[in-house]
Amino acid sequence: AQKITQTQPGMFVQEKEAVTLDCTYDTSDPSYGLFWYKQPSSGEMIFLIYQGSYDQQNATEGRYSLNFQKARKSANLVISASQLGDSAMYFCAMREDGVKAAGNKLTFGGGTRVLVKP
Amino acid sequence: KAGVTQTPRYLIKTRGQQVTLSCSPISGHRSVSWYQQTPGQGLQFLFEYFSETQRNKGNFPGRFSGRQFSNSRSEMNVSTLELGDSALYLCASGRQALGEKLFFGSGTQLSVL
Repeated sequence: AQKITQTQPGMFVQEKEAVTLDCTYDTSDPSYGLFWYKQPSSGEMIFLIYQGSYDQQNATEGRYSLNFQKARKSANLVISASQLGDSAMYFCAMREDGVKAAGNKLTFGGGTRVLVKP
Repeated sequence: KAGVTQTPRYLIKTRGQQVTLSCSPISGHRSVSWYQQTPGQGLQFLFEYFSETQRNKGNFPGRFSGRQFSNSRSEMNVSTLELGDSALYLCASGRQALGEKLFFGSGTQLSVL
């Protein structure tokens, strides 16, 4: 069964510094997509970045980049130059797109709470 | 371009009642999926609708149901509410093809008293 693990329940980061959030996944499907979402205290789930399993390059979206290590089954999110507004919960999620495709069903990790200190 | 719209934002119901939540996807998106988020269970997939058909279903009791209309708007219904149904309900919209990004709405916070 597919599984997403986020081992860091919470972390502090200094404003303007970079932070890496860990995510490991488990699937036997050769085709899959990996997502990162940010959830502030307001509850909305904000899309940050997406990486397809066959993408040759690591995805980047502004200050967000995804360190995709396929052999290790890890998809860590890197936030550069942290801002106070980055304080939120961050979720890693996976969708199986290949032979086990089940539509747009996402499996989520437990999340990492990030607090940015001024 | 408008994002995913969920209404209402907050709901308070009592046990035994039923509730209907609404989700309007991004224009052009035909897939709408629903998730329940609770502190204890985290984010769990409820079901997905694509072109008015349920394409996938999570492990929830039959009290949870949904539908999708021809304009891709989706509704989720919970009958005979229980205290444990108190949660944030989120919907996500996406295009037809797999491999595409999924975008969420702001959610509906349901409290069952």
